[in-house]
Amino acid sequence: DVKVTQSSRYLVKRTGEKVFLECVQDMDHENMFWYRQDPGLGLRLIYFSYDVKMKEKGDIPEGYSVSREKKERFSLILESASTNQTSMYLCASTGTGRYGYTFGSGTRLTVV
Amino acid sequence: AQSVTQPDIHITVSEGASLELRCNYSYGATPYLFWYVQSPGQGLQLLLKYFSGDTLVQGIKGFEAEFKRSQSSFNLRKPSVHWSDAAEYFCAVSTGGGNKLTFGTGTQLKVEL
Repeated sequence: DVKVTQSSRYLVKRTGEKVFLECVQDMDHENMFWYRQDPGLGLRLIYFSYDVKMKEKGDIPEGYSVSREKKERFSLILESASTNQTSMYLCASTGTGRYGYTFGSGTRLTVV
Repeated sequence: AQSVTQPDIHITVSEGASLELRCNYSYGATPYLFWYVQSPGQGLQLLLKYFSGDTLVQGIKGFEAEFKRSQSSFNLRKPSVHWSDAAEYFCAVSTGGGNKLTFGTGTQLKVEL
């Protein structure tokens, strides 16, 4: 069964901390994505990557950065966490072609 | 840029009744279209997808969706709803294989017994 694994299910961090959210996929997918999910706003794209060491800004990249050093791993970085970054973060991956997108279970981040 | 509208924020249906969830998209060419479901505390599960061909698409759990180019719609249907279908449903659009997905804001489905 294909899998996208997010390292933490729940995280609590303090304002100003640097936060790393990790995502690993085992499907050899080229394309990986980070979304945040907020009630009433659906899922909004933060960053995505179509290849190793490649990244593109999504719709709401401010306050975030990403890293993709290996094909299977895509990390989301909050350089200095703020309370308005409290949210559910979802990672997804897909191949290039007519495939569905597989999502991880999500990381619920609370910034206090 | 593509966009997706789900006009119904909440829908309540009785168990056994039929269901239709609306989805409208904005994109100049033929998009790739998806419906996902999210149960409380769970991740997103793919219900069905449309890339091309037959405009009526069958998915899992008895769901189907119909692509109507003239109406820019991709509505999700189920003939008889079960209590376990209570969840949030998201419509999404992509401009091509592997490209970024753009989501609607979701429709929360409540099923009355």
